[in-house]
Amino acid sequence: DARVTQTPRHKVTEMGQEVTMRCQPILGHNTVFWYRQTMMQGLELLAYFRNRAPLDDSGMPKDRFSAEMPDATLATLKIQPSEPRDSAVYFCASGSESYEQYFGPGTRLTVT
Amino acid sequence: GQNIDQPTEMTATEGAIVQINCTYQTSGFNGLFWYQQHAGEAPTFLSYNVLDGLEEKGRFSSFLSRSKGYSYLLLKELQMKDSASYLCAVNRPEYGNKLVFGAGTILRVKS
Repeated sequence: DARVTQTPRHKVTEMGQEVTMRCQPILGHNTVFWYRQTMMQGLELLAYFRNRAPLDDSGMPKDRFSAEMPDATLATLKIQPSEPRDSAVYFCASGSESYEQYFGPGTRLTVT
Repeated sequence: GQNIDQPTEMTATEGAIVQINCTYQTSGFNGLFWYQQHAGEAPTFLSYNVLDGLEEKGRFSSFLSRSKGYSYLLLKELQMKDSASYLCAVNRPEYGNKLVFGAGTILRVKS
């Protein structure tokens, strides 16, 4: 049963610290998405990769957020420095040419 | 630009039928998705419509009218476990098939 995996599942950190979230997409999927979900804003797309190349990161605050895919089995989302307003659940999703996206379990981030 | 509108909340009774509507206004369109999200969990795929008409999958059906910018998700024989948020999302081909999500409809099923 292929699944998207994300680590860590929960992260509590202090303002100003660096946070790195990791995602392993489903083997064979060529698209990877990073979303952020909050009660106020709902589900927002932060960044999107196809064949490891970034296609759209317009939803991401560039001054503190960065997203990379060092290889086909790993996507990372980094926040440096983190702020309390970054507290949210961060989802990674992967997909193929069928357009359907499969979501990982998410990383619940709390920045104090 | 894009607007995707869904009702915020709905309540229905176990065993009944409920219809959750979604309207959208987008300059590009390549299909509409419905996702289910239980509290504290990830969204899971329910259905995909790219052509007009009804797609049926067990107790769940989804309808699309592209000319009206309208879709609905129909849930039959409601069960308590159907209590969840239902997200409508539109595929935008001009942005590399990125999905834009609505805010979601919280469905509460009561006994």
